[in-house]
Formats: sequence, C-alpha cells, structure tokens
Amino acid sequence: DAGVTQSPTHLIKTRGQQVTLRCSPKSGHDTVSWYQQALGQGPQFIFQYYEEEERQRGNFPDRFSGHQFPNYSSELNVNALLLGDSALYLCASSWPDRNYGYTFGSGTRLTVV
Amino acid sequence: DAKTTQPNSMESNEEEPVHLPCNHSTISGTDYIHWYRQLPSQGPEYVIHGLTSNVNNRMASLAIAEDRKSSTLILHRATLRDAAVYYCILKETSGSRLTFGEGTQLTVNP
Repeated sequence: DAGVTQSPTHLIKTRGQQVTLRCSPKSGHDTVSWYQQALGQGPQFIFQYYEEEERQRGNFPDRFSGHQFPNYSSELNVNALLLGDSALYLCASSWPDRNYGYTFGSGTRLTVV
Repeated sequence: DAKTTQPNSMESNEEEPVHLPCNHSTISGTDYIHWYRQLPSQGPEYVIHGLTSNVNNRMASLAIAEDRKSSTLILHRATLRDAAVYYCILKETSGSRLTFGEGTQLTVNP
C-alpha cells in the first residue's frame, strides 16, 4: 500500500518565481495537510484541506495557497518566492477522525536562489 | 496551542531501553498526546498517541502520568534505526494541526 507521495523531490527556483508542489494522500485518506520545515527546525503547519476546502490555516502569508482535487490529491502553490521560502515542504494525510496519526510524505526540498 | 518541553538530546546504547520524557504542564482535558519521529532525510513518522491510559503498539509504549502533565515514550530495545528526532505533540480534539517543537535528538550507540 503506497503511503503519501510527493513530487517533485527536489526543486530549484529563482526569487520572484512561482512554484507548485504536488501530493497524493495515502489510500483511504481524505484529509491533506501541508507543513514547511526549515533546516534544523520542526515542521510548521501551513494549512489543511478537507472536501476540497481549506479547513484550517497556519501563520503563513497569502502567497501560500493550495487546492484539493476530487480524488483527494492536493497542490501547494507559492507565489513571489523569497529566499526564506527555501525549506522542506511536507504533505501529511489522515482519515476524517482527527485523532488518528498522520502519514507524512518524504517531502519536496525547495531551494530559492 | 499547548506547549511541550523535551530535552534537546539523549543517548542510548543499542538493545537497551530508552525513556524519552516530555513535560506538558498546560495540557487541557481534551488534548491527546502524540509522538512522532523523524529520521534523517525523511518526513515525520507517527509513533503512538494516547489520552489518559498507557498505550502500547509494535513500535513503542507511551506512559502517561496520572495528572497528565508529563509523559514518557519508551522504546523497549533501541536499534541503530531508532536514531531520530522524537517529537512530543499535544493535539486538540477539536483542532487538526500538529504543532511541532524542536524535539529530542536520540543517538543510539552500537
């Protein structure tokens, strides 16, 4: 059974550009969350999608947006990239019951130059 | 979000038990205690969670203090593959996010 799949695994972008990261949740999961992890720090919550709607959002600017498709897969979009956006972006999926554990993907390493 | 406090680092020897502590003195009655670990170059991995009673699964055991202000993750026989950053997280029943701290870096010596 495949877990959470993220693509691409690595990406290099230039300041000011836009980027789209993709996530396929674990089979049977319908809730997708995105996290940003800077080097040496714990992951920080960006937002969560359920039933194709953003259900909860962390303290991130509007440059960060997302989407969930009918098949539960999700995209994270970041506009006007800054050097500080360089990080590991993690996708996590779960069942509707919020107190089960989350399954994380291995992440997309984004480098902004 | 309620805060947890963990030691920055711990060391253990292979095949010995490891007790990873976590303090959460401001925990609310509805917060679940979750543990995740993150191996190098991987995303976090769910380990275990509990509310009031001690919990066991194939990976670890979770011991929760009677007043719920602290908990301990127990790895019964550490292996080299258990070397990771371990995060203790309080998760609201009504909320859905995980709030990660800095975690405990566990080193396992052969």
